[in-house]
Amino acid sequence: GENVEQHPSTLSVQEGDSAVIKCTYSDSASNYFPWYKQELGKRPQLIIDIRSNVGEKKDQRIAVTLNKTAKHFSLHITETQPEDSAVYFCAAKRGGITGTASKLTFGTGTRLQVTL
Amino acid sequence: EAQVTQNPRYLITVTGKKLTVTCSQNMNHEYMSWYRQDPGLGLRQIYYSMNVEVTDKGDVPEGYKVSRKEKRNFPLILESPSPNQTSLYFCASSPTGVVYGYTFGSGTRLTVV
Repeated sequence: GENVEQHPSTLSVQEGDSAVIKCTYSDSASNYFPWYKQELGKRPQLIIDIRSNVGEKKDQRIAVTLNKTAKHFSLHITETQPEDSAVYFCAAKRGGITGTASKLTFGTGTRLQVTL
Repeated sequence: EAQVTQNPRYLITVTGKKLTVTCSQNMNHEYMSWYRQDPGLGLRQIYYSMNVEVTDKGDVPEGYKVSRKEKRNFPLILESPSPNQTSLYFCASSPTGVVYGYTFGSGTRLTVV
């Protein structure tokens, strides 16, 4: 099955700096890669996603890049703010109508701390 | 409002006492799933369901049961809870046949003593 590795496990940046979180996946059939943000005591919430026919996607201060050949994707946060402090999860999914294809496999998470 | 509702939010129980965590979604999603979240291990899938009366094991199904009698409900059952099932549990749902992410419930923090 799919295996998703995520690095680093913790990341501390100063306010205003950029943060980059990297993930690799093993299943070449995966074609959907969402990122979730989980604030303390809250549920994971989708912040951005990318599909395999796209190499990069941006939404204000957040961007995600995908390298299908190398099977890795990254989350980039620019001009970080204290409210960006949270745990971030990457995930991968094949997509389709079977149970295996519908499953999201998650990375182990990155705890991002933005310091003043 | 489109949502996934889990209950209870917090639960402390004793070893061996059967419990059920409920999950309900109002988005008419076919696919529903249970995950547990543990420090350093991320989110691991326990069970999933493709539709009514169709359920299957995920990566860590031991000690858990599920049922899907109605499309909107997907309860998680721990027949004889043990301390190693102390965890944060999330229910999630999504449509099938399209490439789409999950909507998560608010989580249930379970402690088994």
